[in-house]
Amino acid sequence: AQSVTQPDIHITVSEGASLELRCNYSYGATPYLFWYVQSPGQGLQLLLKYFSGDTLVQGIKGFEAEFKRSQSSFNLRKPSVHWSDAAEYFCAVGGGATNKLIFGTGTLLAVQP
Amino acid sequence: DVKVTQSSRYLVKRTGEKVFLECVQDMDHENMFWYRQDPGLGLRLIYFSYDVKMKEKGDIPEGYSVSREKKERFSLILESASTNQTSMYLCASSWTGGSYEQYFGPGTRLTVT
Repeated sequence: AQSVTQPDIHITVSEGASLELRCNYSYGATPYLFWYVQSPGQGLQLLLKYFSGDTLVQGIKGFEAEFKRSQSSFNLRKPSVHWSDAAEYFCAVGGGATNKLIFGTGTLLAVQP
Repeated sequence: DVKVTQSSRYLVKRTGEKVFLECVQDMDHENMFWYRQDPGLGLRLIYFSYDVKMKEKGDIPEGYSVSREKKERFSLILESASTNQTSMYLCASSWTGGSYEQYFGPGTRLTVT
């Protein structure tokens, strides 16, 4: 079955600390992978995406993610978190004949001063 | 920039009312989607449309219908609103044959009392 797992429901980090949000997927076709961010009361904004090529992709706001096919993972990282990064983060996978994306259940990030 | 707009940010309706949620995109996208977002459940697909007058059920279509008479507009209809339909509703759009990337509207927070 096609699925996306974000094992961490809620993460708290201190401002300036590094961040890694985990994402594992199960998908039959070649995966197209995405990370979206949602600020409170807002829609989803694309942070970054992976289609092919270099497995380390750079996104907006200083975020990056690494695609590891052998581990079926696409973890999101940031070297130094800012208070404005507090939000909910969603991993998603798509590809193949359908135009749909499958989303994970999200990770809520809190940033301590 | 792609823009996806939703008719209301906040909506309060009574049980049994017919509710219309409107979504408009300005980038000539073929695909449009309606999601429901609830805490801990992530985004769940209600319906999507891949062309004018074409639609497919998503994962949770019960209690909802949709209409797509024009390419840029996709409406979600709650025929008889119930309290368990209180939720955040997100609209998204994407190109066919593209990157699968979806562009989201700001969301409508619907409360059914």
